Amino acid sequence: SQTIHQWPATLVQPVGSPLSLECTVEGTSNPNLYWYRQAAGRGLQLLFYSVGIGQISSEVPQNLSASRPQDRQFILSSKKLLLSDSGFYLCAWSVGWGNNSPLHFGNGTRLTVT
Amino acid sequence: AQSVTQLDSQVPVFEEAPVELRCNYSSSVSVYLFWYVQYPNQGLQLLLKYLSGSTLVKGINGFEAEFNKSQTSFHLRKPSVHISDTAEYFCAVRGSNYKLTFGKGTLLTVNP
Repeated sequence: SQTIHQWPATLVQPVGSPLSLECTVEGTSNPNLYWYRQAAGRGLQLLFYSVGIGQISSEVPQNLSASRPQDRQFILSSKKLLLSDSGFYLCAWSVGWGNNSPLHFGNGTRLTVT
Repeated sequence: AQSVTQLDSQVPVFEEAPVELRCNYSSSVSVYLFWYVQYPNQGLQLLLKYLSGSTLVKGINGFEAEFNKSQTSFHLRKPSVHISDTAEYFCAVRGSNYKLTFGKGTLLTVNP
């Protein structure tokens, strides 16, 4: 069966420090991968999605970037964190080219920028 | 582009009472609809999905939802809730691309 791993679970970082959040998927090949951010009272905002190695689509201009160095690995990064980057970050995957495939989420990373 | 509106940000109910969480969507193309549940400090778990066929969809934990194309709605229902159903519920829509658009969520609180 497929599983998705996200780490770390929680992270406290000072403003201006770098960030690297990692997400890996097991048990499937060539998944579509996603990074979402969840802020209190604002639902989920899609940040990036990827349909293949090295293919990244950005949804919103921001202080973050994403990379997909391997088929089942998706990394969210920042060179210098801002206070506004605080939030709950969720990685997700789906399979297939059809739009009817649901997303499956990891357990998230709670990021607090101080 | 598609959008999702969850009409209630919070819904308090008593245990064993029925509940309906409302969701309306807008899209210029055919859509696929989903409900997810999120327990505190966890990721989202798929409750149910509407892809095609019967408009009444049954999911896990006794939840069901009905797709109404004319009213562009996909309301979530449960006839009798438990304390353990306390969580945040998200409606989501997917149109002609890879993106899943979420509503802002409804916090369901089940009181004893």
